[in-house]
Amino acid sequence: EAQVTQNPRYLITVTGKKLTVTCSQNMNHEYMSWYRQDPGLGLRQIYYSMNVEVTDKGDVPEGYKVSRKEKRNFPLILESPSPNQTSLYFCASMGDSYEQYFGPGTRLTVT
Amino acid sequence: AQTVTQSQPEMSVQEAETVTLSCTYDTSESDYYLFWYKQPPSRQMILVIRQEAYKQQNATENRFSVNFQKAAKSFSLKISDSQLGDAAMYFCAYRSDFGNEKLTFGTGTRLTIIP
Repeated sequence: EAQVTQNPRYLITVTGKKLTVTCSQNMNHEYMSWYRQDPGLGLRQIYYSMNVEVTDKGDVPEGYKVSRKEKRNFPLILESPSPNQTSLYFCASMGDSYEQYFGPGTRLTVT
Repeated sequence: AQTVTQSQPEMSVQEAETVTLSCTYDTSESDYYLFWYKQPPSRQMILVIRQEAYKQQNATENRFSVNFQKAAKSFSLKISDSQLGDAAMYFCAYRSDFGNEKLTFGTGTRLTIIP
């Protein structure tokens, strides 16, 4: 089954404790992206990757890092999380069909 | 930069009736894609319908259809024969045909279905 997986689905952490949210897709897509969803703001892009070892900032990259060492994986790293990064996070991938496939979302709470 | 506006934070419709969700966007580009995504309580983002800007014909997918007005930069979603399972947050999204293929989302419309 074609899918994008994210882990963990829920995470509660404290300010400053480094964390990683993993994302993996099994569709051999070159393009992958991270979004955050906040009430009243819709979804906004954090980072994206056009291919392995090629990443770039989206609209709200501050406080986040990403890496793309393999085609299927695109982890999101928060090296020093802060409460304003409490949000719902989505990973997405896209192939030639122009449809972006979304993961199930990760609910992150930073206290 | 492109922007997407959904001016209806909430809408409601009687079951089996028709409802139209509004979306406008701003862009200087001529080639792009427009999408409607559905987000039910499970939070999963589900693609409902897609429209290529170069196509004049409005897209349809079963009970879902769009009214795409390129000159007016309008992209509304019509849901016919509304069902209880249609209750969700609906997001309009824009994607450029150039460069970063990110989706620019509107703020969403919460649709309630009244039995």
